[in-house]
Amino acid sequence: DAKTTQPTSMDCAEGRAANLPCNHSTISGNEYVYWYRQIHSQGPQYIIHGLKNNETNEMASLIITEDRKSSTLILPHATLRDTAVYYCIVRVAYNTDKLIFGTGTRLQVFP
Amino acid sequence: NAGVTQTPKFRVLKTGQSMTLLCAQDMNHEYMYWYRQDPGMGLRLIHYSVGEGTTAKGEVPDGYNVSRLKKQNFLLGLESAAPSQTSVYFCASSDRRGNYGYTFGSGTRLTVV
Repeated sequence: DAKTTQPTSMDCAEGRAANLPCNHSTISGNEYVYWYRQIHSQGPQYIIHGLKNNETNEMASLIITEDRKSSTLILPHATLRDTAVYYCIVRVAYNTDKLIFGTGTRLQVFP
Repeated sequence: NAGVTQTPKFRVLKTGQSMTLLCAQDMNHEYMYWYRQDPGMGLRLIHYSVGEGTTAKGEVPDGYNVSRLKKQNFLLGLESAAPSQTSVYFCASSDRRGNYGYTFGSGTRLTVV
């Protein structure tokens, strides 16, 4: 599975959009981009995933560049409860092999 | 509520003691996983299972054993606990297609003294 690079930390004002970048320059054609978050010491929570088209669900939007070498997770209206560590992971869909977590981006939403 | 349940939530062991962590899921998922998370680090895969009666090693399997006798349960065993195994342990499950990612339990905080 391809490796990802994320900023260590980011801040965002409550009510504003939080844009979390992720670089995955070695991504293969059959690898998807997954996003998870971990609030405090809880178990990670799945957010969204995509292959090459932009995706949106009730939690967030995922924008993947045309060359697929980077992506951005967008939380449209960040709240204090969105403060968490966000993990960007690339892997082959339906692959039974390990889901590799890096150190992620610590997002702090402030009032 | 449907999901992944881990027991116990907290445990303190003495070096050399043994214990079993239980993970149960009620979503009829095929795949189950055990991860550990040390302070300030991401999750590392210990063992995983792709179906009842099957197990496989992950990134950091040494010192642990697992069993999947029933589809809904995945047990993680520590035969002789060591201080290096002090960590938070997370269990996860996913369906065969993995369309909605992994569902994680709330974790077991284990301290070995």
